[in-house]
Amino acid sequence: QLVLTQSPSASASLGASVKLTCTLSSGHSSYAIAWHQQRPEKGPRYLMKLNSDGSHTKGDGIPDRFSGSSSGAERYLTISSLQSEDEADYYCQTWGTGIRVFGGGTKLTVL
Amino acid sequence: EVQLVESGGGLVQPGGSLRLSCAVSGFTFRSYEMNWVRQAPGKGLEWVSYISSSGSTIYYADSVKGRFTISRDNAKNSLYLQMNSLRAEDTAVYYCAREGVFAVAGIFDYWGQGTLVTVSS
Repeated sequence: QLVLTQSPSASASLGASVKLTCTLSSGHSSYAIAWHQQRPEKGPRYLMKLNSDGSHTKGDGIPDRFSGSSSGAERYLTISSLQSEDEADYYCQTWGTGIRVFGGGTKLTVL
Repeated sequence: EVQLVESGGGLVQPGGSLRLSCAVSGFTFRSYEMNWVRQAPGKGLEWVSYISSSGSTIYYADSVKGRFTISRDNAKNSLYLQMNSLRAEDTAVYYCAREGVFAVAGIFDYWGQGTLVTVSS
């Protein structure tokens, strides 16, 4: 079964960096994922598609502070030089035949 | 500029029906696969349904199968979600989302702003 697992919360200080993790279920470690950002009271926004080799394709206007990397079944989103506007929920998403899947989301708090 | 604008949400009683619409602009609608995604109050994102660019292939989440129907009108640049036999647990903001192509195939690369559906007596 295709499942994405995320930690419910993360926090980091203004100006620091943070690395969020999305873990693919067993047998699906080659899957690409997408990262989406959802600010409070807003709709989701596509950040990037992240492949198993770590290559990624960002959405329009996404700052260089956002980057992605991969290791095995883990997919990472790193945000550097954290700004207050980065405080948001972050979701990973993937797909298979007949199904689209979201992780449970990580709530990022910028201290 | 790519735009997706949902409409049709509102308050409906349990067992009732509602039809959501998503009007798109800024891209060639008939070339893209589309989805509906929902978010219950205080909860995460839940995929609801998928439709291929031609409308010939459709998928549903188990939670809505048999009750919801996705459709599209490529001439009107519009996506629809017919929701029947609504339950309290269907209460959510409903988003339409475009699936990317080529390098971003399979992922949702543009989202609407959402429309709220409340199922309550």
